[in-house]
Amino acid sequence: GAVVSQHPSRVICKSGTSVKIECRSLDFQATTMFWYRQFPKQSLMLMATSNEGSKATYEQGVEKDKFLINHASLTLSTLTVTSAHPEDSSFYICSAESGGAYEQYFGPGTRLTVT
Amino acid sequence: AQSVTQPDIHITVSEGASLELRCNYSYGATPYLFWYVQSPGQGLQLLLKYFSGDTLVQGIKGFEAEFKRSQSSFNLRKPSVHWSDAAEYFCATDLGGADGLTFGKGTHLIIQP
Repeated sequence: GAVVSQHPSRVICKSGTSVKIECRSLDFQATTMFWYRQFPKQSLMLMATSNEGSKATYEQGVEKDKFLINHASLTLSTLTVTSAHPEDSSFYICSAESGGAYEQYFGPGTRLTVT
Repeated sequence: AQSVTQPDIHITVSEGASLELRCNYSYGATPYLFWYVQSPGQGLQLLLKYFSGDTLVQGIKGFEAEFKRSQSSFNLRKPSVHWSDAAEYFCATDLGGADGLTFGKGTHLIIQP
């Protein structure tokens, strides 16, 4: 149980275009989903927290107009990287938490490369 | 703000030897504590977690961790490592609200034959 999927697993896009990454909880309802970013050989940094039906809460330094997060249902959250630039190239990982469980289940990650 | 310190960036251990990965946290209260493992290009897999109670926690793949309040530590141990244990290991904390995890910088484990 507690499986989280991400799609796509890898994406290459051109500078200036937008990319959408999906995060789904497959066998549970995720009241809260999180988006992390991981640079090569670095730790994970929390970008934002989203609750179903609410606006996402962004961490300091994360541009909310650039990284659009939508948590439209209890099983789906999307991260859209708008007007992507090469410096946005990174490994994006989502996680999902079932209400009150205090345990996050992680997706396999999405490797974004902006050329 | 809470922080997590993993002082060892790399650790090399011979196959069959014991392993201890260090983790210290900085926060007034005791947060929830986690250890995750990440294989190359993969997502994170939870090894074990501590919320309360018995300070010695057993996890998957033969790992265990001990919470020591006096040292603000949550070190990960394994009595005998296998080559398949080579990976990146992350310690993480959670304050228990609907907050994201705070991760340490990770320890890269190398297994020598």
